[in-house]
Formats: sequence, structure tokens, C-alpha cells
Amino acid sequence: DQQVKQNSPSLSVQEGRISILNCDYTNSMFDYFLWYKKYPAEGPTFLISISSIKDKNEDGRFTVFLNKSAKHLSLHIVPSQPGDSAVYFCAASAQSGNTPLVFGKGTRLSVIA
Amino acid sequence: DSGVTQTPKHLITATGQRVTLRCSPRSGDLSVYWYQQSLDQGLQFLIQYYNGEERAKGNILERFSAQQFPDLHSELNLSSLELGDSALYFCASSAYRDPAPGNTIYFGEGSWLTVV
Repeated sequence: DQQVKQNSPSLSVQEGRISILNCDYTNSMFDYFLWYKKYPAEGPTFLISISSIKDKNEDGRFTVFLNKSAKHLSLHIVPSQPGDSAVYFCAASAQSGNTPLVFGKGTRLSVIA
Repeated sequence: DSGVTQTPKHLITATGQRVTLRCSPRSGDLSVYWYQQSLDQGLQFLIQYYNGEERAKGNILERFSAQQFPDLHSELNLSSLELGDSALYFCASSAYRDPAPGNTIYFGEGSWLTVV
């Protein structure tokens, strides 16, 4: 039973364009959402997060949007750069309980120069 | 460099054997998490310790066990190994107990386990 779903295993985008990575969740108790980025042979690194009290959080080229009614979040990268090529994991947690981070299976982003 | 150190980086062992994976959290972090990543799978949560006590348990097999020591380092013990246990095992740490804004979870580079 996957509580966090990333339905696109891979995505290719041209350099300079927008990359949009999507994530759906099923557990309505989740109220804290994160994106992690992973390069080969490295551990995941935290990228950006959003609490359920917000619907948007921006950090430089990265913006996360949260649609609570649809149980959907997305990560926008603008403009995309070749160095953004990595696997992106969506994760969620319920802050009210002792719920660890639940991760999706990841989306491999390739930014083509 | 996240500050989370995992050893060994790579390990090859035979079915039926027992191995121990070690994790040193970031300095000052009280929480340690263990995750398993198998081929084509996301990061599966195994177990969390907070300041020496078990905090949360995920899909951890009975053949697996973990502990956090007084110096806050943690070990994950995997026994009676099977081929399907081959995976990348990540340790992560954070300063506080629960995932929340301001309590970033930092991951180590992982320990690759291959069971043959």
C-alpha cells in the first residue's frame, strides 16, 4: 500500500525549460511534505519542504505547490539546468503522530543541454 | 557531505550470514533513522531511534534488529540473510524527534549490501 506515489518514473526536459515533478498521497493525516534529490552514489539531500498550512513554498529556482483537496503536490524547477539531473523523491509525514517520513519511489529527471 | 557516516560502504556476503551496518549521526543529532532501498523501490522506512529509545518502527523484518548506543551511533543487524535482502541501506539523522520544519533529516551515503 503506497501512501506516497510518484507515477512518473522518469522525465526529460530541455535546459532552460520548466521541470514539473508530481506526487500524490493517500493519507489525509499527512501535513508535512518534502522533496529530496539524489545523485548516483550519494545519499538523498533535502531540497525543499512545505507544511499543509501553505499552498506554495519557493526557494530560488525551486517551488513546491500543495493541493490538499486533491492530495497532490508538485515540484517546479525553473529554469532547469543540467546539474538538476538526479532522482527526486517526494516524502510526507504526519507531524501530530510518531510518523516517520514516507517516501515515493522517485522520478529520474534528465535535463538535456 | 551530510555529516552522517555509514560503514561499510559496500559489503558482499553469503545467504544465511549475519552482518552489521554502522551509522554515526551528525554531531548533536538525537534521532537516527534506517531506510532500505531495493531495486526500483523507494526508500522503505525500517526503524527510528531517538536518544537511545526506539521511536517508530516500519516494515522491518524480524531477522533485522537495530539499536542506538549512548554515544548516539546506531547499528543495524541483519541476520539469516536472503538474496532479497540485497539493497542499499541508508542511515539518516536529525536533531529532534519528529520530521517537521526546522528539523531537517540528513542522509548518509548508504551501505550497499549484496547477498550471494
